[in-house]
Amino acid sequence: EADIYQTPRYLVIGTGKKITLECSQTMGHDKMYWYQQDPGMELHLIHYSYGVNSTEKGDLSSESTVSRIRTEHFPLTLESARPSHTSQYLCASTKTGPTGELFFGEGSRLTVL
Amino acid sequence: DAKTTQPNSMESNEEEPVHLPCNHSTISGTDYIHWYRQLPSQGPEYVIHGLTSNVNNRMASLAIAEDRKSSTLILHRATLRDAAVYYCILVRGGSNYKLTFGKGTLLTVNP
Repeated sequence: EADIYQTPRYLVIGTGKKITLECSQTMGHDKMYWYQQDPGMELHLIHYSYGVNSTEKGDLSSESTVSRIRTEHFPLTLESARPSHTSQYLCASTKTGPTGELFFGEGSRLTVL
Repeated sequence: DAKTTQPNSMESNEEEPVHLPCNHSTISGTDYIHWYRQLPSQGPEYVIHGLTSNVNNRMASLAIAEDRKSSTLILHRATLRDAAVYYCILVRGGSNYKLTFGKGTLLTVNP
């Protein structure tokens, strides 16, 4: 059973609002990831982190930002939500090393009106 | 980063074996081959991984070509619950790496 949690699961919000999607894991994993996925489409890596105070941008350009102040916590923030940000956001984590299994949270489905 | 190529879709009948191919012709010596699957309305889940030798676990088998430029995920008896998108990705050894997914293969299982 994966110990990685995302909140909120669903969020409907108006344009211009600031939102934070939370992601926490209790497995002590150093590496954490955020993916964006539209229905029926592929997963796009938008942010990742190798450990505390390290964050990198992924392959898909995103207006969101992330922080990694604690090992277990990797929140994603949108300062001013727009309808184009409507999507599902999936958080994942894995231990250091190439044999580690990637564990995913259940996702946060964001709708911006 | 080394890329993988998979068929967009495949179809199988229930209780029959399924062989899902993946090409990774630019694989490097330290790349591990991982497979994940994503069931409808869920996040991806790990299936299996290997480096050079064939691997078996309770979910599937992974057959890796001798030159490592391709691999095949084998579901021995497909069930309706195996209908999902299957992703083959390469995970590089070393201290830092990012994990990117391609489009995967959509597996349809017919009753």
